[in-house]
Amino acid sequence: NAGVTQTPKFQVLKTGQSMTLQCAQDMNHEYMSWYRQDPGMGLRLIHYSVGAGITDQGEVPNGYNVSRSTTEDFPLRLLSAAPSQTSVYFCASSSQGDTQYFGPGTRLTVL
Amino acid sequence: AQTVTQSQPEMSVQEAETVTLSCTYDTSESDYYLFWYKQPPSRQMILVIRQEAYKQQNATENRFSVNFQKAAKSFSLKISDSQLGDAAMYFCAYRSPGPSGTYKYIFGTGTRLKVLA
Repeated sequence: NAGVTQTPKFQVLKTGQSMTLQCAQDMNHEYMSWYRQDPGMGLRLIHYSVGAGITDQGEVPNGYNVSRSTTEDFPLRLLSAAPSQTSVYFCASSSQGDTQYFGPGTRLTVL
Repeated sequence: AQTVTQSQPEMSVQEAETVTLSCTYDTSESDYYLFWYKQPPSRQMILVIRQEAYKQQNATENRFSVNFQKAAKSFSLKISDSQLGDAAMYFCAYRSPGPSGTYKYIFGTGTRLKVLA
């Protein structure tokens, strides 16, 4: 049982480039979410999904897109990366809003 | 809007001693969940303990326990017999019910715990 997996672990982008952070879970959880973690600011919710085909914005959604075509996968897209998006990104999943299980995180640097 | 406040950016404790990390939150909801997560240097977020607001009894997990004061909107974490492996960043989190069966988690800014040998 792999739990929540994220790829890549590290990524460096240039301003304006696009990329997709991958997140997958094998626990059949309906709830998935993306957070960013910045020094001194804790974790802030970017987008979340309560099931396949259903997504909604969190606290800091600007500059990010998501989709949920399957229960297992919840990719996060950066369409045009900016230095302000330099951060550590976490994906999490849970069942019925219970305890969230987190992936190992992706450290993204935008130059 | 709901908020979670951790007023102690950093705490230190001597090995084998007890330490308490503070967390307060602001909400008008009556039904919610509270969590403490640990983040060691590996960056992995690990659940330490959770508390349902409707339960009056304080949650306990081995050396970790909480003091949940619903009226005061306080949710502190007590670590007994501190060990070197407890050194980490600790985050308090609140789960609020949202529209149409959704919910959102709100995290505090974290408390860095140092354990001194």
